[in-house]
Amino acid sequence: GAVVSQHPSWVICKSGTSVKIECRSLDFQATTMFWYRQFPKQSLMLMATSNEGSKATYEQGVEKDKFLINHASLTLSTLTVTSAHPEDSSFYICSADMSGELFFGEGSRLTVL
Amino acid sequence: GQQVMQIPQYQHVQEGEDFTTYCNSSTTLSNIQWYKQRPGGHPVFLIQLVKSGEVKKQKRLTFQFGEAKKNSSLHITATQTTDVGTYFCAGGRGRRALTFGSGTRLQVQP
Repeated sequence: GAVVSQHPSWVICKSGTSVKIECRSLDFQATTMFWYRQFPKQSLMLMATSNEGSKATYEQGVEKDKFLINHASLTLSTLTVTSAHPEDSSFYICSADMSGELFFGEGSRLTVL
Repeated sequence: GQQVMQIPQYQHVQEGEDFTTYCNSSTTLSNIQWYKQRPGGHPVFLIQLVKSGEVKKQKRLTFQFGEAKKNSSLHITATQTTDVGTYFCAGGRGRRALTFGSGTRLQVQP
């Protein structure tokens, strides 16, 4: 099946710094990618829909100035957590849609000290 | 907004016993998908159901989509230790992104 690669797998950063997470579709072009957030033992909460060449669509309650999304090419979307705080610590997962089926990246575990 | 609930939240079974998780949406869905997430891993697609009343089988797994397209179930016959993980349903409405259910965590005792 299709492969979606996410990097980094885990990152630890100091409070106030920014962290960038990359999501790549390796063997297909994805005009749309989705960013989810998952807290321990909880479900996946959609944060935003990333559209190639246009602005991302954010879900209600997600700060677009804090979670910057860029989808500059058909194979790459990036999520930048700006001025990270401990409450931003979570598991961030991207996914790409191919023919109606979601393929997920491996996830990025962010810990903000 | 759309809500998708799953029950039970957690189930612990003996190997060989059956397992069922139920998914209910507050709104009518255009399709429903099921995913499995192993501990420490990422969700992996299992199946998609589109038609009202649809039933699909994958070996020991049976998936159903309700007549009203607002509920779904996943049934595993004779569970094995490899079935351990969290099962999520995800409801789709047209071209909108999927809304994931709360998940059911399955533990299988050998």
